[in-house]
Order: sequence, then structure tokens, then C-alpha cells
Amino acid sequence: DTEVTQTPKHLVMGMTNKKSLKCEQHMGHRAMYWYKQKAKKPPELMFVYSYEKLSINESVPSRFSPECPNSSLLNLHLHALQPEDSALYLCASSLTWTDTGELFFGEGSRLTVL
Amino acid sequence: GENVEQHPSTLSVQEGDSAVIKCTYSDSASNYFPWYKQELGKRPQLIIDIRSNVGEKKDQRIAVTLNKTAKHFSLHITETQPEDSAVYFCAAGSNAGGTSYGKLTFGQGTILTVHP
Repeated sequence: DTEVTQTPKHLVMGMTNKKSLKCEQHMGHRAMYWYKQKAKKPPELMFVYSYEKLSINESVPSRFSPECPNSSLLNLHLHALQPEDSALYLCASSLTWTDTGELFFGEGSRLTVL
Repeated sequence: GENVEQHPSTLSVQEGDSAVIKCTYSDSASNYFPWYKQELGKRPQLIIDIRSNVGEKKDQRIAVTLNKTAKHFSLHITETQPEDSAVYFCAAGSNAGGTSYGKLTFGQGTILTVHP
């Protein structure tokens, strides 16, 4: 299994809603990532988890709250988002965090904030 | 932090022609340089990567070259086909310190269109 699975594929939420994005991999990877991608732009790193611990937070606003319940799962909790947060949210995994290697991306969750 | 510049932003070629995309990076500690292809509505996928101890790497119609001294690397696609049409992103990362330690910094992307 060389897949990173993300749910939901599409999400529409209001600015007062609370929702979560989920990501799962069963490749035994110990590093997991959240990226944000706007149309026609490169992925922007948000968070890195290594061995289930938060290793990098790229100064992301607190309305985005990551969680790594175990080595296979990664969540992104969303609360009080703004319309400018509308984007494709990509989860990725790699074997380890610091030993650079291939990032395996999920298909993404397309978020629209009304 | 690391800064990766990518050119051109758009590239249009005829089927069978070659395509070259160039990137420069700023952090001399960067030692890992992957290229990702992202088709419309799809996930980015690694197509080739190179580490700083190697100057060139080939995989069938795709090659990457790295000039560490000049801090630039390039993607070469030969005998292009319509299915090569996509957005291509270069990136730089490091497993040895520096501002790109443990993370990839992406270039702005190149939209490649291959006309049949």
C-alpha cells in the first residue's frame, strides 16, 4: 500500500463551524505533513510531525490545530476559518523527517470557507 | 529561509520536442532536489530527484542536472508527449542543517503544455 488517503475530498464550511480533515497512511512512514495549496501555486508547508510529535509549525494561525493520534493518522482541526483559508489541503508522508526522501502526497481535501 | 526560484512559469512545446525547466536555490546547506509533477486536479508526484553528491541523473526520458557551485538544477524532458502536460515543481531540502532542514521549499511551478 503506497497511498496516503485523505477525507473528505471536499468540504464547505462557514466561518463559525468546526470541522476536521483526516489523513491516513499504512506505509510505516514516521513523518507526516500538512501542506496548503492555492490554485496555480506551490504547496506551502504548515506542519510536520515526526514520530507523532510536532516538529515544525510554520507560524500557522491557531485556527488550524493539528493532531497525530498515532503513527498512521494525522488530523487537521479547523475552527473559525476565514474565506482566505479556502484552498486544497494536502497531507503527505515520508519515511522519516530529517532523512530527506520522497514525499507521498494524498489527493487533498478541497476546502471552501463561506 | 531557503528561496527557490523556478523558470519559466509557462512552457509550450510541440510533441517530440525537448523541454527544460531551471531552478536556483539560495541555501548552500540544501542537498536534496526533487521534482514533482502535478496534473490538473491531482496530487503532486515525485518524478525524479537528485542529491548533492551527484551531478546528473537520468530515468528514461527525464534527466536532472545539478550545479552545486552555481546553486542551480534543471529538469530535462526529451521526446515530450501530450501526457507530459502538467505543472512541474522543483524543490530543495536538507538533511544536514540549514534553513531547509527537514522540509522542502518548492519553486513557483512551471505549466508545461505539449501540443500534439
